Amino acid sequence: AQKITQTQPGMFVQEKEAVTLDCTYDTSDQSYGLFWYKQPSSGEMIFLIYQGSYDEQNATEGRYSLNFQKARKSANLVISASQLGDSAMYFCAMREKGNFNKFYFGSGTKLNVKP
Amino acid sequence: DVKVTQSSRYLVKRTGEKVFLECVQDMDHENMFWYRQDPGLGLRLIYFSYDVKMKEKGDIPEGYSVSREKKERFSLILESASTNQTSMYLCASSSTSGGADNEQFFGPGTRLTVL
Repeated sequence: AQKITQTQPGMFVQEKEAVTLDCTYDTSDQSYGLFWYKQPSSGEMIFLIYQGSYDEQNATEGRYSLNFQKARKSANLVISASQLGDSAMYFCAMREKGNFNKFYFGSGTKLNVKP
Repeated sequence: DVKVTQSSRYLVKRTGEKVFLECVQDMDHENMFWYRQDPGLGLRLIYFSYDVKMKEKGDIPEGYSVSREKKERFSLILESASTNQTSMYLCASSSTSGGADNEQFFGPGTRLTVL
């Protein structure tokens, strides 16, 4: 079974609007971490935000927030006030405490921000 | 400024050649990883190493080998390059301390074309 599922291969959003990128995960570990990365067309992977499985509050970093619904095993990324520079691939990833040397990545969502 | 560097951004090789991709990190991280990235497939783990001279196969190790003689350096070797190994190769490192909390830091990637 897929550990990380991103069901939106591509999305469009109007500049200045908010957008939600979906991510669901599969684990039997009680302790795990969820990560979002951004990959612009230049290719580098940029870490955006982290959510620990025991964190009660949703993580936020500037315009990024993580909508963490543990019972549903979802960790959606919300980008507020989209900017043209947000156009990129976005990857959701998970790391399990029981196997914390390994990261599992989703297939990614390509976000296009329209002016 | 923490850094993961890769020896080449772009590489063109011929079928059957032996190819070395080098990765160096300056963060004293225990773990290092090699991924390949193909459109629609996300990042797939080839090999990772959790200590000097230690390695473990990832999800797609066939046709690849690795070497980690020093903590800061992790090399990916294509023994006999084939056209289906044309891809983007990403190196990453992460710390073991903190359990599941620590993100991976990525290099800029090497886009390998095998003709």
